[in-house]
Amino acid sequence: QKEVEQNSGPLSVPEGAIASLNCTYSDRGSQSFFWYRQYSGKSPELIMSIYSNGDKEDGRFTAQLNKASQYVSLLIRDSQPSDSATYLCAVNRSGGYNKLIFGAGTRLAVHP
Amino acid sequence: EADIYQTPRYLVIGTGKKITLECSQTMGHDKMYWYQQDPGMELHLIHYSYGVNSTEKGDLSSESTVSRIRTEHFPLTLESARPSHTSQYLCASRQGYEQYFGPGTRLTVT
Repeated sequence: QKEVEQNSGPLSVPEGAIASLNCTYSDRGSQSFFWYRQYSGKSPELIMSIYSNGDKEDGRFTAQLNKASQYVSLLIRDSQPSDSATYLCAVNRSGGYNKLIFGAGTRLAVHP
Repeated sequence: EADIYQTPRYLVIGTGKKITLECSQTMGHDKMYWYQQDPGMELHLIHYSYGVNSTEKGDLSSESTVSRIRTEHFPLTLESARPSHTSQYLCASRQGYEQYFGPGTRLTVT
């Protein structure tokens, strides 16, 4: 079992819809969680961080964290074709390590 | 947010050549990382550093080496490039919990 699991997709949504991206992690002691967006051929870009259970909203993006279920999600409202990218979930290892563990990513395709 | 620079952005080089990929950041971050990523594939951590004179190997075995003589500079060296080294190399640095990536170097070894 991978430490961070994501559905590889592609997740296809129509323009204007809500895209829901999910991530599960195995390290129960993890305390910090991140979503990165990566366009094809580019480097990952940090778009959301979340540290506490519940929801965190930033513009059209909402990150949701449930530590009891070891589950992180990213909602993208009013999806645009420019949101088409691979979304990487990353989790900070517990135990004092300063290394992020990345999921394999979910490819999102927003079609007009 | 960090300013992280990588040079060159693209490099095509012949087998057997020695190459150094440069990475520098201007924010004084202690923690820096090198990742390798093939097109459409996962990120793999190959080296990291928690400060000057501190370097460690990452989760993916790599024939490359790194050094950290100055806080802002974290170069990666391949002594003898091979076609199997063809990949994208991403440098990152970290402030607190948040980690930021440089633009990457796309390396092709012919």
